[in-house]
Amino acid sequence: NAGVTQTPKFQVLKTGQSMTLQCAQDMNHNSMYWYRQDPGMGLRLIYYSASEGTTDKGEVPNGYNVSRLNKREFSLRLESAAPSQTSVYFCASVESTGQTFAQYFGPGTRLTVT
Amino acid sequence: RKEVEQDPGPFNVPEGATVAFNCTYSNSASQSFFWYRQDCRKEPKLLMSVYSSGNEDGRFTAQLNRASQYISLLIRDSKLSDSATYLCVVYQTGANNLFFGTGTRLTVIP
Repeated sequence: NAGVTQTPKFQVLKTGQSMTLQCAQDMNHNSMYWYRQDPGMGLRLIYYSASEGTTDKGEVPNGYNVSRLNKREFSLRLESAAPSQTSVYFCASVESTGQTFAQYFGPGTRLTVT
Repeated sequence: RKEVEQDPGPFNVPEGATVAFNCTYSNSASQSFFWYRQDCRKEPKLLMSVYSSGNEDGRFTAQLNRASQYISLLIRDSKLSDSATYLCVVYQTGANNLFFGTGTRLTVIP
């Protein structure tokens, strides 16, 4: 079990360039999430997908799009990168049963936009 | 107002010390509560869930006070390996999301 995997681990973009961050999980979880983490801000939810074929906006969706390709994969796209999108991006998948909620994170993608 | 607030620290404590972290949350409808640990440049990992009755896992004790909307984490007999950032996390069913505090940084000194 690899858990949650993310690619790439590091990326440097120039303003205006586009890229897609990939995330995959092998735990058969229905829900997947994309967060960004900035100093002093904590993790903030960008988008989430409660199940295959559905996506919903989180707290900070502007400038991003997502695709839930299948149950395993949830990608995050930056169409026109801006310096404000310099951050560490974490993907997570969720095991949810009734009142319990366990979230498993990928190792993160460190993105710098110059 | 932030959903979850924590003292960012840093807390610098000697090995063997007892240290406590506190956290408050703003939404009384919050259902589940957690402490996560995040090492430098790594992903957050679940440390423990927090139950109303309080719960203990080895040297770690978590407490929840729903009336005061307050969560705590106590670490006894601190080890060097406990050095990390501790994130207070709250789950709201309606939002279908976890809300993260900014984290409290702990450094255990030899």
